[in-house]
Amino acid sequence: IAGITQAPTSQILAAGRRMTLRCTQDMRHNAMYWYRQDLGLGLRLIHYSNTAGTTGKGEVPDGYSVSRANTDDFPLTLASAVPSQTSVYFCASSDRAGDSYGYTFGSGTRLTVV
Amino acid sequence: GQNIDQPTEMTATEGAIVQINCTYQTSGFNGLFWYQQHAGEAPTFLSYNVLDGLEEKGRFSSFLSRSKGYSYLLLKELQMKDSASYLCAVRGPGNYGQNFVFGPGTRLSVLP
Repeated sequence: IAGITQAPTSQILAAGRRMTLRCTQDMRHNAMYWYRQDLGLGLRLIHYSNTAGTTGKGEVPDGYSVSRANTDDFPLTLASAVPSQTSVYFCASSDRAGDSYGYTFGSGTRLTVV
Repeated sequence: GQNIDQPTEMTATEGAIVQINCTYQTSGFNGLFWYQQHAGEAPTFLSYNVLDGLEEKGRFSSFLSRSKGYSYLLLKELQMKDSASYLCAVRGPGNYGQNFVFGPGTRLSVLP
């Protein structure tokens, strides 16, 4: 692994089903994030974690939950998927607030809820 | 509130120069970033400005004016592979990056 790995790459999900998007990083970054990207709306923060054991809500957290049991993994769970959660989901990580490189992004998960 | 504006789309010719503007109003400022995102791929880091002025990196340059809430990304000697979306993002104060705000992105099409 080099960087951030997301799985699955894409998924079609029936409404009402539960789904967990996986994210793993090998850079030992302290902070990790989940974004969704929708046409015309750009990247919007769902949840974040500044360090293992802590999480916080972003701009659009409703319907999503996260956990951060260790430094490397940051799964995103949709408890009961709805069509409005159809989107491309990006996991990202960063080291420090003063880091001049900002984020490193995973390759994304394209989720379609039908 | 926080708001970032960019043009939705731009078109330019191979070999030309293009300037993509970004204006922002944010509560606090701790750096401005430009990312490139090819269709179907993840955003990748291009440039970072935290002080006023121009940062040059090869064919790409980025300018920042904090007093005006304004930045631009300048792409020189355009190549077909530069066709992508360009995202402006502002980092606010606070720990790590939960205060990142992304603009909607500018889709650049480079024509032969």
